[in-house]
Amino acid sequence: EDQVTQSPEALRLQEGESSSLNCSYTVSGLRGLFWYRQDPGKGPEFLFTLYSAGEEKEKERLKATLTKKESFLHITAPKPEDSATYLCAVQGLFSGGYNKLIFGAGTRLAVHP
Amino acid sequence: SQTIHQWPATLVQPVGSPLSLECTVEGTSNPNLYWYRQAAGRGLQLLFYSVGIGQISSEVPQNLSASRPQDRQFILSSKKLLLSDSGFYLCAWSEDRITNTGELFFGEGSRLTVL
Repeated sequence: EDQVTQSPEALRLQEGESSSLNCSYTVSGLRGLFWYRQDPGKGPEFLFTLYSAGEEKEKERLKATLTKKESFLHITAPKPEDSATYLCAVQGLFSGGYNKLIFGAGTRLAVHP
Repeated sequence: SQTIHQWPATLVQPVGSPLSLECTVEGTSNPNLYWYRQAAGRGLQLLFYSVGIGQISSEVPQNLSASRPQDRQFILSSKKLLLSDSGFYLCAWSEDRITNTGELFFGEGSRLTVL
């Protein structure tokens, strides 16, 4: 069964303190791994798609990497506006004729000044 | 550019009352459409998806139903709400690609509280 586990559940950082969020996955053939950002009371906002091990994507202070078993979201010199819940999701090769994504529970990030 | 609208944003309903949440997508044609539910501390759970008008697939048995009366309109309904239906409901769309890979784009969500 396809599964996604994110750690830690919550992370508190000081402004400028770099860190990484982890997404471990089990899937019967990876079609894609997705990172989303979700602000309280809002819908998730798409950040990145990674398709194969070794791939990396960057956006401002965020960098996503992918291995065969996990993905990391690296946050460099975070600012308070980076505070949000970060969701990881995977799509398997045998997900059917639609984008069936399996989501993790997310990591709640709080960045304090 | 594509946009997705979802309403109402907040809803408080008594047990046993009906429910209708609506979602429309603009700027694209023949999208795949999805309804997700998000419970606190848990991942998003896919409830329904649709690849075309009148084509609805259910992922989990429940007290809810979905309909797609138009290409870019998706409706989530219930005839009689249960307490366990409370949650944050999200509509999403994706492009109808041959390979069916690609990201989902979410609406702003609807917070449902059943009392």
